[in-house]
Amino acid sequence: QSVLTQPPSTSGTPGQRVTISCSGSISNFGSYAVNWYQQFPGAAPKLLIYSDNQRLSGIPDRFSGSKSGTSASLAISGLQSEDEADYYCAAWDDSLSGPVFGGGTKVTVL
Amino acid sequence: QLQLQESGSGLVKPSQTLSLTCAVSGGSISSGGFSWSWIRQPPGKGLEWIGHRHHSGRSSNNPSLKSRVTISVDRSKNKISLQLTSVTAADTAVYFCARVIYGDYDWYFDLWGRGTLVIVSS
Repeated sequence: QSVLTQPPSTSGTPGQRVTISCSGSISNFGSYAVNWYQQFPGAAPKLLIYSDNQRLSGIPDRFSGSKSGTSASLAISGLQSEDEADYYCAAWDDSLSGPVFGGGTKVTVL
Repeated sequence: QLQLQESGSGLVKPSQTLSLTCAVSGGSISSGGFSWSWIRQPPGKGLEWIGHRHHSGRSSNNPSLKSRVTISVDRSKNKISLQLTSVTAADTAVYFCARVIYGDYDWYFDLWGRGTLVIVSS
């Protein structure tokens, strides 16, 4: 059971906009930024978004992040087949005194 | 460009010690004042932070792993090491090393190794 809560899956057709939610608490999102990672099968996670909404250099601008209160979301606009992957949210957590992850959301492109 | 590569024992017997190394290439582990972490992912499951080694030398581990974890940095060999004692089948996972970027508001992993699978089985 993860500290941050994400839906297990979502899907969309090419060109569509999909949104992945991530629910946290005061001990994490209350004071710290959310980050988002993309992971393809058999590969390492890759940082997409840091500091709530900053894209890492080289990440397409169809990926965007936001946070409000204890909830955050990752949006993928103009969904492409190569976006089919698992996405994880993460943040520092004061209760753990370490970073915590969401359970991951599998994005399927129909 | 900095690269990380994990290596170590792929099969460990229950109750024994898991030992992994993360080799850093393309730059010095000492430059930039970075911290280094280990993260693991059981097959088909999500990510779990194991612990990290701050550039100051201070370490911090996931309380769920209690005192079983030791993370060390060998600056002369440009390597980060992980030891996990008294392993059980629940420790079977892909283990990743990662570089940490942090500030007053943010804490994230900007660079990851490819990971190495460790199976705990007799």
